Amino acid sequence: TQLLEQSPQFLSIQEGENLTVYCNSSSVFSSLQWYRQEPGEGPVLLVTVVTGGEVKKLKRLTFQFGDARKDSSLHITAAQPGDTGLYLCAVRGDGTASKLTFGTGTRLQVML
Amino acid sequence: DTGVSQDPRHKITKRGQNVTFRCDPISEHNRLYWYRQTLGQGPEFLTYFQNEAQLEKSRLLSDRFSAERPKGSFSTLEIQRTEQGDSAMYLCASSLPNYGYTFGSGTRLTVV
Repeated sequence: TQLLEQSPQFLSIQEGENLTVYCNSSSVFSSLQWYRQEPGEGPVLLVTVVTGGEVKKLKRLTFQFGDARKDSSLHITAAQPGDTGLYLCAVRGDGTASKLTFGTGTRLQVML
Repeated sequence: DTGVSQDPRHKITKRGQNVTFRCDPISEHNRLYWYRQTLGQGPEFLTYFQNEAQLEKSRLLSDRFSAERPKGSFSTLEIQRTEQGDSAMYLCASSLPNYGYTFGSGTRLTVV
C-alpha cells in the first residue's frame, strides 16, 4: 500500500480551466511538500505546509494542508500550458530518518 | 553555485555491464539522497548520506547497487551486472537538515 495516494492520476484540461489535485493518507504528518516535475528534469519544490488547515498561495496555485494533517490539496486557477507536468506530494519519515517519501503523482497536461 | 549536477544525463548499456553515475550536490548541503523513478511513478528512495556517512539504504538497493560519498562532497552510485529492470531515471538530491530537496536533472539509464 502507498503511504500517499494522489488523485487523479492523469488530468488533461484546456487553458484557462481550474483544477484541484489531491494527496491523501491515513497517517498524520508534521509537514508536507509539493513538487512539480517537468519531463526529463528533476522535481522542483513548490511549497511546504506545516500547520493543520494552513493555506499557502503561490501566484495561481493554492495549497491547503488538511486540518488533521493527513491530506493536502493543490488548486490551480486559470491553468496555463506552462503548468504542465507531474505534481508530487511528499512527506518526511519519522524518527531520525529525514528522507522524503513521494506520492504516486498527478500528471497534468494543459492544452492550448 | 549552479545547483545539483548529475553526470551523465543519459546512459545506454548492455545487460550485464556495470555503470557508475556521479552527483555533485550544492556545496553547503550536508545531506545527499539517491532516488529511482520509473515512468509515471513518483521517485522511490534508494539511499541517503549525511556528510560521508551512509545513514539509510532502501530494500530496493540490492547487493548489485553501491553508493559512496567519500569526502562528504560528490557521490557515486554504481550498479553492477545491470538488468533490464534497472532501466529508470536515477535522481540525486541534496538538502540542509529539515529543508526541502534540490534535485538534479537525473541520469536516465536504459539497459538493452
